[in-house]
Amino acid sequence: AQSVTQLGSHVSVSEGALVLLRCNYSSSVPPYLFWYVQYPNQGLQLLLKYTTGATLVKGINGFEAEFKKSETSFHLTKPSAHMSDAAEYFCAVSDEGSQGNLIFGKGTKLSVKP
Amino acid sequence: NAGVTQTPKFQVLKTGQSMTLQCAQDMNHEYMSWYRQDPGMGLRLIHYSVGAGITDQGEVPNGYNVSRSTTEDFPLRLLSAAPSQTSVYFCASRQLGDRSYEQYFGPGTRLTVT
Repeated sequence: AQSVTQLGSHVSVSEGALVLLRCNYSSSVPPYLFWYVQYPNQGLQLLLKYTTGATLVKGINGFEAEFKKSETSFHLTKPSAHMSDAAEYFCAVSDEGSQGNLIFGKGTKLSVKP
Repeated sequence: NAGVTQTPKFQVLKTGQSMTLQCAQDMNHEYMSWYRQDPGMGLRLIHYSVGAGITDQGEVPNGYNVSRSTTEDFPLRLLSAAPSQTSVYFCASRQLGDRSYEQYFGPGTRLTVT
């Protein structure tokens, strides 16, 4: 069975500092991996996704993530945090055998201090 | 395109009442799904459908019914609401032939059961 673990339910960084949000997954088949962002009282917006090919994936708003099969990880990074990055971030996994159903992590709430 | 739309945005029910959460998409997507979001739990799959007349259960289906009579619509029914069903509900859709497995989310319905 697939699962997703997001380390840290809350992460706080200063404006301009590196953002690192951790995601580890388990899957018995090649995974498809996603990061979604949710701003307060809004729906989910796709940040980036990995399906096949290049393991370093670039997304919107300066975010990127690297798929590391050996570590079963898909951590999200951004070199310099902006106040507008404050939101909740969800990592999700899917695969070809599951009709594309998404399994989500519990989420990480990012706070950005001025 | 309006994308994925959900109605209502907010709803308050009393225990035992019934209601239907509406979801519609105008992208001709075969796959549609319902998730519920609870604090600290991420999003969990309730039911999904891969086409008109075809539905299946997700991780947390108890207390919810679905049907899919058209490609566009995928309503979620609560037959007898319980306080444990207080949550934010998201509908999502995707194209089955899309190898990216990306799902498009609606804006959500916030349901409170008293």
